[in-house]
Amino acid sequence: AQKVTQAQTEISVVEKEDVTLDCVYETRDTTYYLFWYKQPPSGELVFLIRRNSFDEQNEISGRYSWNFQKSTSSFNFTITASQVVDSAVYFCALSEAKGNSGAGSYQLTFGKGTKLSVIP
Amino acid sequence: DSGVTQTPKHLITATGQRVTLRCSPRSGDLSVYWYQQSLDQGLQFLIQYYNGEERAKGNILERFSAQQFPDLHSELNLSSLELGDSALYFCASSVDIKNTEAFFGQGTRLTVV
Repeated sequence: AQKVTQAQTEISVVEKEDVTLDCVYETRDTTYYLFWYKQPPSGELVFLIRRNSFDEQNEISGRYSWNFQKSTSSFNFTITASQVVDSAVYFCALSEAKGNSGAGSYQLTFGKGTKLSVIP
Repeated sequence: DSGVTQTPKHLITATGQRVTLRCSPRSGDLSVYWYQQSLDQGLQFLIQYYNGEERAKGNILERFSAQQFPDLHSELNLSSLELGDSALYFCASSVDIKNTEAFFGQGTRLTVV
């Protein structure tokens, strides 16, 4: 069974503060993928990043950075110098093989999401 | 713009009715996934198709069905609708079966009254 836990339900920060969104996952597979998605108030799901289980290198993209640690089964997301436009619900998701051996099928299991409010 | 197109964006219908949601994947993507987002259940996987064939089923009700056509677009059919089916339905597509890079459409907001 797989499970994704985002313990922070809601976070409020003042603009320009840094904020870290936590994600802890459970899986028995050695091959899996981790994702972060952003859902702004308009409702669409915006893909932010994907990491595979063999790549623990941290990644930085502008004000966004991700810290993947297999030892603690965590994939945390940090926004530096937050802006009002960062206000959204952020989802962490896990994908691992399902189905029969050979051509497995992957689907995303999402956490409950963290609602981030950035106050001007 | 993710390149995944869902229609309609909004749908209001009565209990007991049947609706069809449509999804056009990104050009070149063979896999289509359907997800339901509701307040109580969160984001849940419903079903996946790959190149016209059903690949995986999640928490999809028997009243719901889907298919993927030769041109790779997909439809999700919801029948005998109940109030609890009100939700945001997302379609996602990826180029391969491993969902290594899934892009979502804007969703169809279904309201059952």
